[in-house]
Amino acid sequence: AQTVTQSQPEMSVQEAETVTLSCTYDTSESDYYLFWYKQPPSRQMILVIRQEAYKQQNATENRFSVNFQKAAKSFSLKISDSQLGDAAMYFCAYRSVRLGRYGGATNKLIFGTGTLLAVQP
Amino acid sequence: GAGVSQSPSNKVTEKGKDVELRCDPISGHTALYWYRQSLGQGLEFLIYFQGNSAPDKSGLPSDRFSAERTGGSVSTLTIQRTQQEDSAVYLCASSLRRHQETQYFGPGTRLLVL
Repeated sequence: AQTVTQSQPEMSVQEAETVTLSCTYDTSESDYYLFWYKQPPSRQMILVIRQEAYKQQNATENRFSVNFQKAAKSFSLKISDSQLGDAAMYFCAYRSVRLGRYGGATNKLIFGTGTLLAVQP
Repeated sequence: GAGVSQSPSNKVTEKGKDVELRCDPISGHTALYWYRQSLGQGLEFLIYFQGNSAPDKSGLPSDRFSAERTGGSVSTLTIQRTQQEDSAVYLCASSLRRHQETQYFGPGTRLLVL
């Protein structure tokens, strides 16, 4: 079974600075997807960034980028020029693409325990 | 367009009562998922619907939990004879097709069982 580990329960960063959130995962599969979701106090899970395992190039979305190390099974999120609105819980998630018993891919997301990011003004 | 919506936003119930939670997916999304977020268990998958196929119920924690999806759109998660350990935030997500598609989440329903 796949597992996702986030070893940093809480992180803090100064506004305009850069912070990196860590995520490691365990899987025997060669193809899969990795995600970072943000959950502000409103509870709505918002997709931050997505990475396909078969792509060597690290995904980027504006101020957000990942460092995907497939061999090390590591998927860290870097937030540059941090803003007050970035304060939230961040979840790393894994999704398999192999066929499941229902004839389609096993689509469920497997989440880490989350990292609470505080942004100091 | 409109995102995933869920109702009610908050629900307080007494132990032993039944509750129904509703999810309206994004229009045109054929895949729908329910997850539960609790302090003790984190975020866990409950059930998955894809079009007219039989749902994947592998994440439901007990037979008190059930879900249906009518007309391939709205879904209802029902918890019978609620227990205090059912207290959690129940999140719904939808995606355009099954695999290779990003899941978009609703704001969740916070359930408190007294």
